[in-house]
Amino acid sequence: SAVISQKPSRDICQRGTSLTIQCQVDSQVTMMFWYRQQPGQSLTLIATANQGSEATYESGFVIDKFPISRPNLTFSTLTVSNMSPEDSSIYLCSVRTLNTEAFFGQGTRLTVV
Amino acid sequence: GIQVEQSPPDLILQEGANSTLRCNFSDSVNNLQWFHQNPWGQLINLFYIPSGTKQNGRLSATTVATERYSLLYISSSQTTDSGVYFCAVLLTGGGNKLTFGTGTQLKVEL
Repeated sequence: SAVISQKPSRDICQRGTSLTIQCQVDSQVTMMFWYRQQPGQSLTLIATANQGSEATYESGFVIDKFPISRPNLTFSTLTVSNMSPEDSSIYLCSVRTLNTEAFFGQGTRLTVV
Repeated sequence: GIQVEQSPPDLILQEGANSTLRCNFSDSVNNLQWFHQNPWGQLINLFYIPSGTKQNGRLSATTVATERYSLLYISSSQTTDSGVYFCAVLLTGGGNKLTFGTGTQLKVEL
C-alpha cells in the first residue's frame, strides 16, 4: 500500500483567491489523480497528473481553473484558481500502479466564502 | 460512459444488525474496489475485488463480474461503521479512470 500525505487538510478561502493543495507519496507510483467531491455527491475525476508534462483533464475541467503540476513520481499539486463558493468541495489525491488498487489521501476540505 | 449505481442510497441500522450493499455496473470492468468514507471525509480502502469473494473481519465482499454486480456485507454492525460506502470500477480497455458509484449513506444507531 501507499502512504499519501495531503495538505492542507482544510481551508477557508475568500472568493477570487487561489489555493494550492499538495500531495506527497512515500514511494514512486505510476499514476496520480485528483478528484473532487461536491457536498453530498460522489467523487468525480478532475485530471490525471502526468510526470513532467501537462495533466490530462476530464470533460468539464480546464487547466486555467485547475492547474496541476507533477515534477516527479512522488509529488503533485492541484491549484484551485479564482475561487467561487461553487468550488467548495473536498479535493482528494489518489495514486495507483497499473492493475493494482487505488489509494487516497485524507482529502482537503475547502470552503469558499 | 459506464454507469455505476449503488443501492440502497440510505440505510439506518440498529447496532448489531447485518446489511448488504449492492453495486451494479453497466459494462465490463478490470478492477472493483469498495471504500468507506468516514465523517471526516477520508476514504478507507475496504476491498480490492475484481472477482470472487473476500472477507476481512465483519466485512465481506463478492463480485460477480459476468453479471456486473458486487455486494458488500456488513455483519454485527457498530456505530463506527457509519459513513458513506462507495464502490469504484475501472473499465476494461477504458484507460486509467476509476469511476465511482453513487454511494450508500449508512447510519448505525445504538
